[in-house]
Amino acid sequence: EAGVAQSPRYKIIEKRQSVAFWCNPISGHATLYWYQQILGQGPKLLIQFQNNGVVDDSQLPKDRFSAERLKGVDSTLKIQPAKLEDSAVYLCASSSRADTQYFGPGTRLTVL
Amino acid sequence: KNEVEQSPQNLTAQEGEFITINCSYSVGISALHWLQQHPGGGIVSLFMLSSGKKKHGRLIATINIQEKHSSLHITASHPRDSAVYICAVSRLSNFGNEKLTFGTGTRLTIIP
Repeated sequence: EAGVAQSPRYKIIEKRQSVAFWCNPISGHATLYWYQQILGQGPKLLIQFQNNGVVDDSQLPKDRFSAERLKGVDSTLKIQPAKLEDSAVYLCASSSRADTQYFGPGTRLTVL
Repeated sequence: KNEVEQSPQNLTAQEGEFITINCSYSVGISALHWLQQHPGGGIVSLFMLSSGKKKHGRLIATINIQEKHSSLHITASHPRDSAVYICAVSRLSNFGNEKLTFGTGTRLTIIP
């Protein structure tokens, strides 16, 4: 079974630029999560999708972050414009039930 | 105070030593998870516990619901066990979804 795929693995941008991350969950997994992990901290949930609907986006900074999951499969997370404090690893995870989440390798974002 | 606290933050041990990592939480939970994160960001789920004890190979996880405490043990530690170990608790959010809250992790280094 293929795991959760994410791209790119690394991205370096300057502040005020835009960036987008892509996630392909495990086939058949209805639930998809985006997490932000700042260095030295645990992951923080940004948004959770159930199929193509948003379940929880309470911690998503909606003035600059957006996410979509068209057709209930792949998802993209966008930051526009980026700030220095957005430097982090962005993790995508998926699950088929409300228990074990399978994580992707993450995208390491550096904002200069 | 964080809802999930781990100790120690960093742990260095010699190969072969018995390792214990502790996790305390302050909220009601539906389950507790132990996760492993290697350099580069990828996270692997090790255990999900709601009571008692689970064992997988050289890894053992225990939970005491009354004391709101869990431990992860590694027997006969090996350099390949070097990673960050993260404790996370899942509980029902205000949005009706199961939500993970993560500790900040314990960085384990096993010296040959």
